[in-house]
Amino acid sequence: NAGVTQTPKFRVLKTGQSMTLLCAQDMNHEYMYWYRQDPGMGLRLIHYSVGEGTTAKGEVPDGYNVSRLKKQNFLLGLESAAPSQTSVYFCASTLDGQPGDYEQYFGPGTRLTVT
Amino acid sequence: AQKITQTQPGMFVQEKEAVTLDCTYDTSDQSYGLFWYKQPSSGEMIFLIYQGSYDEQNATEGRYSLNFQKARKSANLVISASQLGDSAMYFCAMRDYGGSQGNLIFGKGTKLSVKP
Repeated sequence: NAGVTQTPKFRVLKTGQSMTLLCAQDMNHEYMYWYRQDPGMGLRLIHYSVGEGTTAKGEVPDGYNVSRLKKQNFLLGLESAAPSQTSVYFCASTLDGQPGDYEQYFGPGTRLTVT
Repeated sequence: AQKITQTQPGMFVQEKEAVTLDCTYDTSDQSYGLFWYKQPSSGEMIFLIYQGSYDEQNATEGRYSLNFQKARKSANLVISASQLGDSAMYFCAMRDYGGSQGNLIFGKGTKLSVKP
């Protein structure tokens, strides 16, 4: 099992450019998440999905869109990148969100810089 | 609203000594889970330990133990016999099982430095 993978690992964008971050998991998990981590902060939830074809907003969704067309993939899009979106992005997945389903599996992170 | 508070931005500990990292939480749900993650300088998030709100015993995983005091809403991480490789950021997190999101709410972290 590869677990949770993220593509790319690093990216530099210019203001106004667009890009898509790909997250893939091979554990048949229902729930998937996108977090961002800024200096001095813990991780904050951007968007999440509780199953194929579903998405919902988290704590900091502005400037991002997501899609979950296949159960194993969760895409995060930046339509018009801004310097405030410079951050490290983590994808995570978990089985079904029920009590006893406790561990969230994290990807290795994507370091994005917007100049 | 759910909230995690870690009041120690940075901590130092001597190698081979024990250290306690503080975490307090706030939630109105009865069913929730508490987590600790380690983030070394390489950046990945490493799951350390989990405590369920209904678990009567404090969780332990090797050198890690979670001191869970439900009435005080605290979930402190204890690392025994610190090693140089324990130097990292440590994040406390919480997950409510009452809602539909299932996401983790994170504290701001504590940077632990182990001195030789």
